[in-house]
Amino acid sequence: DAKTTQPPSMDCAEGRAANLPCNHSTISGNEYVYWYRQIHSQGPQYIIHGLKNNETNEMASLIITEDRKSSTLILPHATLRDTAVYYCIVRVEGYSTLTFGKGTMLLVSP
Amino acid sequence: GAVVSQHPSRVICKSGTSVKIECRSLDFQATTMFWYRQFPKKSLMLMATSNEGSKATYEQGVEKDKFLINHASLTLSTLTVTSAHPEDSSFYICSARSLRLAGKADTQYFGPGTRLTVL
Repeated sequence: DAKTTQPPSMDCAEGRAANLPCNHSTISGNEYVYWYRQIHSQGPQYIIHGLKNNETNEMASLIITEDRKSSTLILPHATLRDTAVYYCIVRVEGYSTLTFGKGTMLLVSP
Repeated sequence: GAVVSQHPSRVICKSGTSVKIECRSLDFQATTMFWYRQFPKKSLMLMATSNEGSKATYEQGVEKDKFLINHASLTLSTLTVTSAHPEDSSFYICSARSLRLAGKADTQYFGPGTRLTVL
């Protein structure tokens, strides 16, 4: 799997949008971008994934650049409960392993 | 939908004993299950992958005789830590994947984790 680069930490004010970047400059054409988050002492939670089109669901939006070398996860109205480590992972769909990097620790403050 | 449970959530045991952790997919059939381990302030590390009815595939450096994995049905996998030692103390997390979930094929869903402390 291609590797990803994320900032180690970010801060966000409650109610504001949180924009979490991820660089994946060596991504291959058949690799998807997945986002998970892990709240302290819990298992990771699936957020969203995409190949090249922007995606939106009830949790977040995923914006993938046209060259697919980077992406941004957007939490439109961050709450205190969104404080967690966010992982950006690229993998080929159908390939079993999710490999976790260090992720971004997002701290949402009042 | 796509809920994965683990039991127990927390276990404390004496050194030398064995501990079994259960992982269940509650509302879908998991064709593949994964076991991860996470040490404090570290990321998740994959230990092994198991497909229903077949032997687990272990990652390099993970002792298969120490971490016994059984995936006997499409909704249940177990991890047994045999002859546990203090260095086995960790957060163990299972994950399940199904190719049959409509609209969410190939997505992995994670359990809440089991905190193991070996005294």
